[in-house]
Amino acid sequence: AQKVTQAQTEISVVEKEDVTLDCVYETRDTTYYLFWYKQPPSGELVFLIRRNSFDEQNEISGRYSWNFQKSTSSFNFTITASQVVDSAVYFCALRTLTNSNSGYALNFGKGTSLLVTP
Amino acid sequence: KAGVTQTPRYLIKTRGQQVTLSCSPISGHRSVSWYQQTPGQGLQFLFEYFSETQRNKGNFPGRFSGRQFSNSRSEMNVSTLELGDSALYLCASTPGRGNTGELFFGEGSRLTVL
Repeated sequence: AQKVTQAQTEISVVEKEDVTLDCVYETRDTTYYLFWYKQPPSGELVFLIRRNSFDEQNEISGRYSWNFQKSTSSFNFTITASQVVDSAVYFCALRTLTNSNSGYALNFGKGTSLLVTP
Repeated sequence: KAGVTQTPRYLIKTRGQQVTLSCSPISGHRSVSWYQQTPGQGLQFLFEYFSETQRNKGNFPGRFSGRQFSNSRSEMNVSTLELGDSALYLCASTPGRGNTGELFFGEGSRLTVL
């Protein structure tokens, strides 16, 4: 099976706390791509990061960092010093071949709803 | 640069009716994908259009269809609506084919079927 599991449905933190969102994936592909997207209340999904299977280097972008570990099939996302504006639903996704085998699409996890309170 | 624009943003239909949703991609983007988002099933891929042709299809019944025009604008249609079709329908565009890169999403069309 090719799937993405985000075990945390909801997380609530107080502003300035660090928070880690977990993502575990399953794939039979040797080359694959993983993504994180953010969905604010307005509804649109906002791209945060893409990582391919050959690049296990961790990445940091401001307060955001990602930890990719092929050995545990995980691609976790950490927000340092969280802010109220970080409140949103966060989705981890895996690029997978569609059932019709006509191309690739994003296979999303169920998402983690993050609430940051002042 | 304008983002992806979806219309209408909200609509209410009754069972058995049909609905057409519209998506205008970012200028210069030629690939348009559609996703359905429901509380139960989450985000699911519907189809992808590129150069006015459907290139890729998810696991949805034939009641769900779409098309793309020469200006890359896309429409999706759902016929014989069912209660379970109530969802947020998201459109995304990319400059070319393939999902190895960033998808640019619109704010979605929220459909309620009564």
